[in-house]
Amino acid sequence: AQSVTQPDIHITVSEGASLELRCNYSYGATPYLFWYVQSPGQGLQLLLKYFSGDTLVQGIKGFEAEFKRSQSSFNLRKPSVHWSDAAEYFCAVGAGYSSASKIIFGSGTRLSIRP
Amino acid sequence: EADIYQTPRYLVIGTGKKITLECSQTMGHDKMYWYQQDPGMELHLIHYSYGVNSTEKGDLSSESTVSRIRTEHFPLTLESARPSHTSQYLCASESGDLSYEQYFGPGTRLTVT
Repeated sequence: AQSVTQPDIHITVSEGASLELRCNYSYGATPYLFWYVQSPGQGLQLLLKYFSGDTLVQGIKGFEAEFKRSQSSFNLRKPSVHWSDAAEYFCAVGAGYSSASKIIFGSGTRLSIRP
Repeated sequence: EADIYQTPRYLVIGTGKKITLECSQTMGHDKMYWYQQDPGMELHLIHYSYGVNSTEKGDLSSESTVSRIRTEHFPLTLESARPSHTSQYLCASESGDLSYEQYFGPGTRLTVT
């Protein structure tokens, strides 16, 4: 069965510094991979997704992620974080079923920004 | 901008009460989902729907029930609320084009006392 691991529960970075959030997945076939962001008191917003093709995926808000099959990883990166990036970030893996796609979410990484 | 709404946003209710959490979307999406999320934890799928008159249980066992009488509406009901139901409930929708892109509502934070 597919699963997602986000090894970092909480990360703090300084504003303007670079960011990398780790994500490892377990899935037998080529996975569909996602990163979502959740601001306090809000629902989840899709940052980016990988289905196939170029392993470096660009998303919204200046985020990117790189799919590495050999490492079963899909790490999220941003070259320079802003205070507004403080939020909870969820990595997810999806599998297609007959009619409904089911997405498995990681436990999330909380990002704090140091002024 | 996704148009998916959940009401109420916050609810505090006593044990034994019947409650319905509302979820509506204006995008005409066929697929809808309910997730349960505890603080600092991952989302767990509790119900989903392919379309009108279609409902399925998700991966996490839940005492709640859902209905899908209209495309835009996917309410979740707890017949008798218990403290163990205290959690955040997130509704999501997805178009039927295999995009796998789910749009989430803001969530309902439920507290059962």
